[in-house]
Amino acid sequence: AQSVAQPEDQVNVAEGNPLTVKCTYSVSGNPYLFWYVQYPNRGLQFLLKYITGDNLVKGSYGFEAEFNKSQTSFHLKKPSALVSDSALYFCAVSSSGGGNKLTFGTGTQLKVEL
Amino acid sequence: EAGVAQSPRYKIIEKRQSVAFWCNPISGHATLYWYQQILGQGPKLLIQFQNNGVVDDSQLPKDRFSAERLKGVDSTLKIQPAKLEDSAVYLCASTPWGQGGYTEAFFGQGTRLTVV
Repeated sequence: AQSVAQPEDQVNVAEGNPLTVKCTYSVSGNPYLFWYVQYPNRGLQFLLKYITGDNLVKGSYGFEAEFNKSQTSFHLKKPSALVSDSALYFCAVSSSGGGNKLTFGTGTQLKVEL
Repeated sequence: EAGVAQSPRYKIIEKRQSVAFWCNPISGHATLYWYQQILGQGPKLLIQFQNNGVVDDSQLPKDRFSAERLKGVDSTLKIQPAKLEDSAVYLCASTPWGQGGYTEAFFGQGTRLTVV
């Protein structure tokens, strides 16, 4: 069975500071990793994904994520946070041979303050 | 490109009543998912369709929940009878099939269900 862990319920950062939202995963086979963002009363929006290749992937709104196979992690990062980045962030995983099944973590609330 | 459409956006019902949600995926997307998102939790997969066949319904409470996807396009999710713990946002998502699981899913805005 595949699973995702997001160990922090909430992350607080000051605007302009770098941010990191943590994610670890467990799958059989090659992992495909995703980050989604959810604003209040909205559906989930895709940010970025790792499939293969370069371990550092870049996505929307200046976000990036680093895949680390040995640590089974896929942390979301941004060099300089904005107040408008405040939202709920979900890490998700599927896998080769997993039949497109997409499993989500519990989410991390990001709060960026002035 | 039109997104995933869901209706209604909000629904309030009394426990033991029935309710149905509708989803229209992105045109051409063969895979359709229904997720349940309880407040404060991540989305939980209820059922996954490929075209009009069920791929995974292992977490669907089949004594009260049912879903169908006629003709491999639109889908409906039904709850009968509803319980208080069914209060949640029900999200529909779709992806093209044949991409080996590495294509991102596109989500609708969800239906917020409140059972009182």
